[in-house]
Amino acid sequence: GENVEQHPSTLSVQEGDSAVIKCTYSDSASNYFPWYKQELGKRPQLIIDIRSNVGEKKDQRIAVTLNKTAKHFSLHITETQPEDSAVYFCAASLGRGSTLGRLYFGRGTQLTVWP
Amino acid sequence: GAGVSQSPRYKVAKRGQDVALRCDPISGHVSLFWYQQALGQGPEFLTYFQNEAQLDKSGLPSDRFFAERPEGSVSTLKIQRTQQEDSAVYLCASSLASGGTDTQYFGPGTRLTVL
Repeated sequence: GENVEQHPSTLSVQEGDSAVIKCTYSDSASNYFPWYKQELGKRPQLIIDIRSNVGEKKDQRIAVTLNKTAKHFSLHITETQPEDSAVYFCAASLGRGSTLGRLYFGRGTQLTVWP
Repeated sequence: GAGVSQSPRYKVAKRGQDVALRCDPISGHVSLFWYQQALGQGPEFLTYFQNEAQLDKSGLPSDRFFAERPEGSVSTLKIQRTQQEDSAVYLCASSLASGGTDTQYFGPGTRLTVL
């Protein structure tokens, strides 16, 4: 199967600064990489995703980069705001096998943005 | 439109009791996933349905866990003879198709506590 590692486990930044979360994956057959934001007691919500035919994707203050050769992908949040505080999970999905779409998650990053 | 819903939101069970957790996916979604999320961890895959067919149950931790989706919409995850290690949040997710790179929309989860 796939193994996804995520770093750091906690991240504190000042409001307005940037935050970067990094993930690595083990199986080169993975082809879909979503990022979820989960606030305490709430459901995971997709914030951005990238597919393996693209190296970078941006949506306002959020961007994701993918390096297929190195098997790592990163989430970048610019101009952070206190409401960005949450746990962020990266995930990977294999493009083969009986369960297309099964997500393998990292262990999460607790992001705290101080006003 | 309505998102994925789950019930109950909270369940407390005595060790040895049976529980049933319900998931209502987004209408028309073909794929349905169950994940287990332990405290402070990322979600871990349990099982996958494509319409009414359970195509992958490799993540179910023991034969005490059983899932069904008889009409291809609502799904139930049943845990027999609950144990303390079953305490976790059980998340359901659905996606429109079965292609593997479709967005998975999560429900709010059922928090199961086994005493």
